[in-house]
Amino acid sequence: NAGVTQTPKFQVLKTGQSMTLQCAQDMNHNSMYWYRQDPGMGLRLIYYSASEGTTDKGEVPNGYNVSRLNKREFSLRLESAAPSQTSVYFCASSEVEGVQPQHFGDGTRLSIL
Amino acid sequence: DAKTTQPNSMESNEEEPVHLPCNHSTISGTDYIHWYRQLPSQGPEYVIHGLTSNVNNRMASLAIAEDRKSSTLILHRATLRDAAVYYCILRDLQRGAGSYQLTFGKGTKLSVIP
Repeated sequence: NAGVTQTPKFQVLKTGQSMTLQCAQDMNHNSMYWYRQDPGMGLRLIYYSASEGTTDKGEVPNGYNVSRLNKREFSLRLESAAPSQTSVYFCASSEVEGVQPQHFGDGTRLSIL
Repeated sequence: DAKTTQPNSMESNEEEPVHLPCNHSTISGTDYIHWYRQLPSQGPEYVIHGLTSNVNNRMASLAIAEDRKSSTLILHRATLRDAAVYYCILRDLQRGAGSYQLTFGKGTKLSVIP
């Protein structure tokens, strides 16, 4: 049982490059989320998808776009990477929105030079 | 939003019980108390949650004060694998879209001594 799988695990980009972070879950969950974690800041929500076909902004959406490709997959795109986007990115899913537990992947460590 | 306060760090000896406290004096009646933990270089992991009554699962127990202004996560027998940062988080059932976000504070870093 893989749970939430994120790819890649590590990535180094140059300023201005674009890339897509991939996330897939095999738990048949309806809701999916993207967070970033910076030192001393805790996790902050970037975007979420309450159900297939819907996406909404979280606390820090600027500079990112998302796509809920199907029920399993939720991708995060950086169109023009900036050094301020250097962070660890976590994808999570939950059965439904609200107080249900969220299940996290192991993260993508992204460095932007 | 209701806030939580946790000690920055705690130590425990291996195979002994650990009591991790959390204060949430401004908790509302619809706030659930959630605990997550994050092991080094891993994503956060759900541990347990409750509303009013004490809760037990295979990982831990959650003891909630009668006035709900504080709670304690109890690890019955600490192992080296339990060394992690533990987060106490309030989630409001009635906040609608605002309830999607898990608001992680700094948590308590638990060290387990062999």
